Amino acid sequence: SQTIHQWPATLVQPVGSPLSLECTVEGTSNPNLYWYRQAAGRGLQLLFYSVGIGQISSEVPQNLSASRPQDRQFILSSKKLLLSDSGFYLCAWSPGTDEQYFGPGTRLTVT
Amino acid sequence: AQSVTQPDIHITVSEGASLELRCNYSYGATPYLFWYVQSPGQGLQLLLKYFSGDTLVQGIKGFEAEFKRSQSSFNLRKPSVHWSDAAEYFCAVGLNNAGNMLTFGGGTRLMVKP
Repeated sequence: SQTIHQWPATLVQPVGSPLSLECTVEGTSNPNLYWYRQAAGRGLQLLFYSVGIGQISSEVPQNLSASRPQDRQFILSSKKLLLSDSGFYLCAWSPGTDEQYFGPGTRLTVT
Repeated sequence: AQSVTQPDIHITVSEGASLELRCNYSYGATPYLFWYVQSPGQGLQLLLKYFSGDTLVQGIKGFEAEFKRSQSSFNLRKPSVHWSDAAEYFCAVGLNNAGNMLTFGGGTRLMVKP
């Protein structure tokens, strides 16, 4: 069966510091991968998606970036965090159909 | 552009009572439809999905949803709510587009009274 992991589970970072969140999927190959952000009390905002290694599509312009160095690894990064980057970050994968399966999330607090 | 509306931001029901969460979508064709549940501090779990065929879909945890094309709706139902059902529920629409992206509604927070 497939599993999706996110690391770390929680993170507290000062404004201006760099960020790296990792997402890995097991038990499948060539998945579509997605990064979402969920601000407090709000819905899900799609940030990036990837249909293959090195292929990244950005949905919202911001100071975040994404990379997919391996088939089942998706990384969300920032060079300098802003207060507005605080939120709950969710990674998801899809087998190529429309259903998506979500990881446990990373709670990011920027201070 | 497609959109998903969940008209109820908060709903409170008594334990054992029936539940219906509303979802309306805007799209020119028949989309793929999903309901997800999110417990506090957790990721989203897929409850059920509709791709085609029977318009009444059964999901996990005793939930079901009915697709009504004429009303552009996909409401989620449960005949008897348990306290553990307290969570946030998201309706989503998929368009089978490149990247298989989903459009999510704003969510409905369900509270269950003992």
